Amino acid sequence: DGGITQSPKYLFRKEGQNVTLSCEQNLNHDAMYWYRQDPGQGLRLIYYSQIVNDFQKGDIAEGYSVSREKKESFPLTVTSAQKNPTAFYLCASSPGTEINTGELFFGEGSRLTVL
Amino acid sequence: GQNIDQPTEMTATEGAIVQINCTYQTSGFNGLFWYQQHAGEAPTFLSYNVLDGLEEKGRFSSFLSRSKGYSYLLLKELQMKDSASYLCAVTDSNYQLIWGAGTKLIIKP
Repeated sequence: DGGITQSPKYLFRKEGQNVTLSCEQNLNHDAMYWYRQDPGQGLRLIYYSQIVNDFQKGDIAEGYSVSREKKESFPLTVTSAQKNPTAFYLCASSPGTEINTGELFFGEGSRLTVL
Repeated sequence: GQNIDQPTEMTATEGAIVQINCTYQTSGFNGLFWYQQHAGEAPTFLSYNVLDGLEEKGRFSSFLSRSKGYSYLLLKELQMKDSASYLCAVTDSNYQLIWGAGTKLIIKP
């Protein structure tokens, strides 16, 4: 079945460590996004990519990095520079290169806890 | 600044009707989305409005008034599985998607 797969679902990290969250889609979508979700707040955009080998910073990119070497894959690295990384991370994709004009398809999310 | 307002929490009874409101102040408007999110799960798309009026899709309907900066999601014949958070999001003139914090809907038998 087509969809978006995020892994791992749960992740624990010690302070000072980098961690990479995986996001893979087989929907043949051009655009991919990473969001962060915290209790009581709306989704906040970390990074997005409209095409392979290109990506743009979102509203809260500091302390995060991404790559888009393949159309299907958009991994997110949470670096030690991110001051408050404990959150629920959502990857999404949408068809076409025009962002935010259509339905977003979300992965199941990755819950990161920093100990 | 840009802002999306939704009630934090609502309670309704199984079989009843509930209306979840969303008001927005954004720099321009290019569409409004409603998503459903069960606890600990991914959001799923419910509706998209770009023109004024009511869009009906089964038990769910979504209304938009651009002049008032207002939308609502109407859920009919409520079922226990409708217990979830409902997220309102608006695409602004720069095609940035602004999200509300979501409304947690609790359905009681």
